[in-house]
Amino acid sequence: QVQLVQSGAEVKKPGASVNVSCKASGYTFISHGMSWVRQAPGQGPEWMGWISAYKGKTTYAPKLRGRLTLTTDTSTTTAYMELRSLTSDDTAVYYCARGTITFGPGTIFDYWGQGTLVTVSS
Amino acid sequence: QSALTQPASVSGSPGQSITISCTGTSSDIGGYNYVSWYQQHPGNAPKLMIYDVSNRPSGVSNRFSGSKSGNTASLTISGLQAEDEADYYCSSYGSSSSSFVFGTGTKVTVL
Repeated sequence: QVQLVQSGAEVKKPGASVNVSCKASGYTFISHGMSWVRQAPGQGPEWMGWISAYKGKTTYAPKLRGRLTLTTDTSTTTAYMELRSLTSDDTAVYYCARGTITFGPGTIFDYWGQGTLVTVSS
Repeated sequence: QSALTQPASVSGSPGQSITISCTGTSSDIGGYNYVSWYQQHPGNAPKLMIYDVSNRPSGVSNRFSGSKSGNTASLTISGLQAEDEADYYCSSYGSSSSSFVFGTGTKVTVL
């Protein structure tokens, strides 16, 4: 069965960077893309970006462009999310979500990781 | 890209039907037949319930159905059950930002 297992909770100081990993199993990794979605406490989800697991092509949400980097390692079927210059507004649960191999209006998020809580606090 | 607008809460008794609306613009919901709906129980990740406006993934109950008219999409839950009590979010692609946008969320309460 499809599983996405994310790394554990992180506590960071303002200005630092955070890396979250997402280990995929149960499907052909390079046949899909991966989106990252975050959810601040008490808020709705916010789409952050997408990466093609096959070619590494990326698309980022405009407000995060410049601070966000998505990568994948096909040898370990793992996706990574790095967010830099953290502020308290970045405190949220971060999810990886499997998507279609190409990015566009028809992209859906059909399987999700369990989430990783990132807390930014001085 | 602004969040899609949903009612904050909807409630119903067991066995009843409820409908959740999701209003956007011609740049998102109105421009594409690609609205998705997600169910989220407290402390859990969202779960895909409807995609491409009205399609159900394998394993999702046929009590869940979706539709769209103009800039507004709707999710209907028929035969409401206690397990349906959760938060529901719609999502659509937005051409103005070339990114995805989610709804503000609706808390469904089973009375």
